[in-house]
Amino acid sequence: AQTVTQSQPEMSVQEAETVTLSCTYDTSENNYYLFWYKQPPSRQMILVIRQEAYKQQNATENRFSVNFQKAAKSFSLKISDSQLGDTAMYFCALYRGTSYGKLTFGQGTILTVHP
Amino acid sequence: SAVISQKPSRDICQRGTSLTIQCQVDSQVTMMFWYRQQPGQSLTLIATANQGSEATYESGFVIDKFPISRPNLTFSTLTVSNMSPEDSSIYLCSAEGGKGLTDTQYFGPGTRLTVL
Repeated sequence: AQTVTQSQPEMSVQEAETVTLSCTYDTSENNYYLFWYKQPPSRQMILVIRQEAYKQQNATENRFSVNFQKAAKSFSLKISDSQLGDTAMYFCALYRGTSYGKLTFGQGTILTVHP
Repeated sequence: SAVISQKPSRDICQRGTSLTIQCQVDSQVTMMFWYRQQPGQSLTLIATANQGSEATYESGFVIDKFPISRPNLTFSTLTVSNMSPEDSSIYLCSAEGGKGLTDTQYFGPGTRLTVL
């Protein structure tokens, strides 16, 4: 069975500062994908960043980057230069790929960016 | 990435009635999925909508309660049948393939359902 754990129910940060959201996971597979999704109050789930487990290089997307530690099964999200629009629920998710279909989500972390 | 729309965006329904939610993707996709998100909670997969065959349901979800159709590669529906207040949730569809990255699911805006 796959599990994803987000141990921080809530986080807050000042605008323009940096914040890191934590995620750990468990899987017996060697090939898989990890994601961070953002869900603002509008409830639209938005893909923030994607990491392929077979790639050692950490994924980056503009102000968003990850620290992927495969051996430790850790996948944290760093948001630099935080903006008010980053306020949302953030979900870490694990995916074995198309053949298996099921996306396993963590419990979510509510991030609030203060002006 | 794929653009996914859902209808209705929200609805308030009476106990015992049924509601059908539509999900439309702007390109042909290989996989479509339906999730439920209860208030303040994470997402739980209800089923995988298979084109041309019956949906594949996760443990705890049954076809009689959540019938799903997928008549083609861009469209799916989820019906919530014989509703009770416990069915009040956000229902989201997702899709994989098409214009998006492979092995990546993109989500629709969700349908907020309230059952009285």
